[in-house]
Amino acid sequence: QSVLAQPPSASGTPGQRVTISCSGSSSNIGSYTVNWYQQLPGTAPKLLIYSNNQRPSGVPDRFSGSKSGTSASLAISGLQSEDEAEYYCAAWDDSLNGPVFGGGTKLTVL
Amino acid sequence: QLLLQESGPGLVKPSETLSLTCTVSGGSISTSSYYWAWIRQPPGKGLEWIASIYYSGTTYYNPSLKSRVTISVDTSKNHFSLKLTSVTAADTAVYFCTRQKVYSHNDYWGQGTLVTVSS
Repeated sequence: QSVLAQPPSASGTPGQRVTISCSGSSSNIGSYTVNWYQQLPGTAPKLLIYSNNQRPSGVPDRFSGSKSGTSASLAISGLQSEDEAEYYCAAWDDSLNGPVFGGGTKLTVL
Repeated sequence: QLLLQESGPGLVKPSETLSLTCTVSGGSISTSSYYWAWIRQPPGKGLEWIASIYYSGTTYYNPSLKSRVTISVDTSKNHFSLKLTSVTAADTAVYFCTRQKVYSHNDYWGQGTLVTVSS
């Protein structure tokens, strides 16, 4: 059972906009910034969004993040087939004194 | 470009000790504002933080694993290491080493190494 709650799956057609939610508590999302990772099969997670809404260099602006209270969301606009991957949210947690992760959301591009 | 590379045995027997090393290249491990961390992912499952270390040697452990884990750093070799004792099949996972900004994100990841616990 993951500390942060994400839907196990999401889907969309090419060109659509999809959002993935992430719910936590006051000890993690409520107190710290949220990060999102994209993991393609057989590869390491890649930092997609950090500090709630910042994109590392090279990440397309189709990807955006937001946070409100103890929840956060990742939005992907102009969905492309290469966006098919597992997406994880994460945040620092006071109880753990380390990062906690969501269980992951598998995004399927139909 | 910072590169992290895990190394260590891919097969460990139950009750023995899992030992992994992460070699950092393209940058110094002795950098402020960043921890160096181990994260694992059991087959088909999500990510779990194991431990983090600052270059000065300050350590942080996941309470669920703390009794079995030791993380260490060797700044002269620019690498950090993980030891996990008394392993069971539940410790079978891909182990990633990462650079972790303090209280924030993991920006650089190794490719990961699969460690299987089996006799």
